[in-house]
Amino acid sequence: DTAVSQTPKYLVTQMGNDKSIKCEQNLGHDTMYWYKQDSKKFLKIMFSYNNKELIINETVPNRFSPKSPDKAHLNLHINSLELGDSAVYFCASSQGGQSSNQPQHFGDGTRLSIL
Amino acid sequence: QKEVEQDPGPLSVPEGAIVSLNCTYSNSAFQYFMWYRQYSRKGPELLMYTYSSGNKEDGRFTAQVDKSSKYISLFIRDSQPSDSATYLCAMSAWSYKLSFGAGTTVTVRA
Repeated sequence: DTAVSQTPKYLVTQMGNDKSIKCEQNLGHDTMYWYKQDSKKFLKIMFSYNNKELIINETVPNRFSPKSPDKAHLNLHINSLELGDSAVYFCASSQGGQSSNQPQHFGDGTRLSIL
Repeated sequence: QKEVEQDPGPLSVPEGAIVSLNCTYSNSAFQYFMWYRQYSRKGPELLMYTYSSGNKEDGRFTAQVDKSSKYISLFIRDSQPSDSATYLCAMSAWSYKLSFGAGTTVTVRA
C-alpha cells in the first residue's frame, strides 16, 4: 500500500488554466506538507497543515491555495497557471505536533508542465 | 548565502567504493538532521535521522553530525549500482520546518 499518494502523477496544461493536485496519506499522521522542487532539484516548503489547521505558509503567490478536508488529505489548487509554476510538487506527512520533529514521508510527486 | 549548502556533484564512483557526501549549514539552531535518497521520478525516501551531534550507523550507511563545525556527512560503504540516486540533506530547528540542501547526484559504476 502506498503511504503518501498524489494524483495526478503528470499534469500538462496551458498557461492561465486552473488545476488541482490531490494528496492522501494512510499513515495516520497529523501533519501534511506541500513542497515545490525546481529543475535544479531544490526542495522548498510551501504549506503545512496540522490537524486541518494551516501552520506553515511560506512566501507563495496567492494563486496557490491549499485545502485540508481532514487530516489524511491535503489538496493544492492553483489558479491562473504561469510558466514559472512548472515544477514537481511533492506532498509529505509526519506524525505529531509542531515540536515533535518526526521525520517526513514523501509521495512520488506531481510533475506539472505549463505550455 | 543559502541556509544549507550541498555540492550538487555529480559524483561517480566504482562499485564497492565508499561514497562520501556532506552538507554545511549556517543556522546554529538546527538540531535535527536527515538524509534522504531520491531516485529518478520518485519522491525523497528517508535514509537516516539523527538528533544533535554524533554518529549513527544503519547497515552500509553512516551519518555524522558535527554541530561545532556546522557540518554533516553521509558515508555509504561497499556502494552498489542500486545506490545511484540523488542524496538530499535536510535539517530543522525546533519545528518541523525542514531546510533542504540542493542534493548530490551519485552514480555507482558497475
